[in-house]
Amino acid sequence: KAGVTQTPRYLIKTRGQQVTLSCSPISGHRSVSWYQQTPGQGLQFLFEYFSETQRNKGNFPGRFSGRQFSNSRSEMNVSTLELGDSALYLCASSPRTSGGAFFGQGTRLTVV
Amino acid sequence: GENVEQHPSTLSVQEGDSAVIKCTYSDSASNYFPWYKQELGKRPQLIIDIRSNVGEKKDQRIAVTLNKTAKHFSLHITETQPEDSAVYFCAASTESGGSQGNLIFGKGTKLSVKP
Repeated sequence: KAGVTQTPRYLIKTRGQQVTLSCSPISGHRSVSWYQQTPGQGLQFLFEYFSETQRNKGNFPGRFSGRQFSNSRSEMNVSTLELGDSALYLCASSPRTSGGAFFGQGTRLTVV
Repeated sequence: GENVEQHPSTLSVQEGDSAVIKCTYSDSASNYFPWYKQELGKRPQLIIDIRSNVGEKKDQRIAVTLNKTAKHFSLHITETQPEDSAVYFCAASTESGGSQGNLIFGKGTKLSVKP
């Protein structure tokens, strides 16, 4: 099976812009979660989608949003980008029955 | 909400020695505890996990123990090798109905194995 695929791998945006990141989960996985990784804060949970419904949400401002499509692919959007949004954004998918979250390679977002 | 503390933040061992990383969690509802290994520039990789109905789990040189009463769990790596050098993260979540829940991660432990 192909692993979790995230696109794009790298992005450079300017403050105030918005960005959309994409995640294709492992085939058959219906749960998709997003995480932000920074050197200072580590890995922080953004949100989880399961069967197109947001199940959980982390402590991030409303500028961070996401959605999941019927084929389980997911997107996350960040509006009005700030310098502090520079981070590695990781998507993880999980099978229904056995748990375990499997991460994609991430999208490295740099806000200048 | 859940809070996960991880210690130590750095750990240096000689090749062949054992390494132990410890984590504590705060939410008694947490029932799933995975460990991830992240090499520089790579994605976190799931190396072992344990659920709250089990006290210990082993996979070759890696083992994880869970003490629900004390709310702590530990990763044990025996016969360490240089390729074990990486950052290790513990996490906790509440699984239900097919949802993995939100993984709350510890801050990570940078393990260095010296040849």
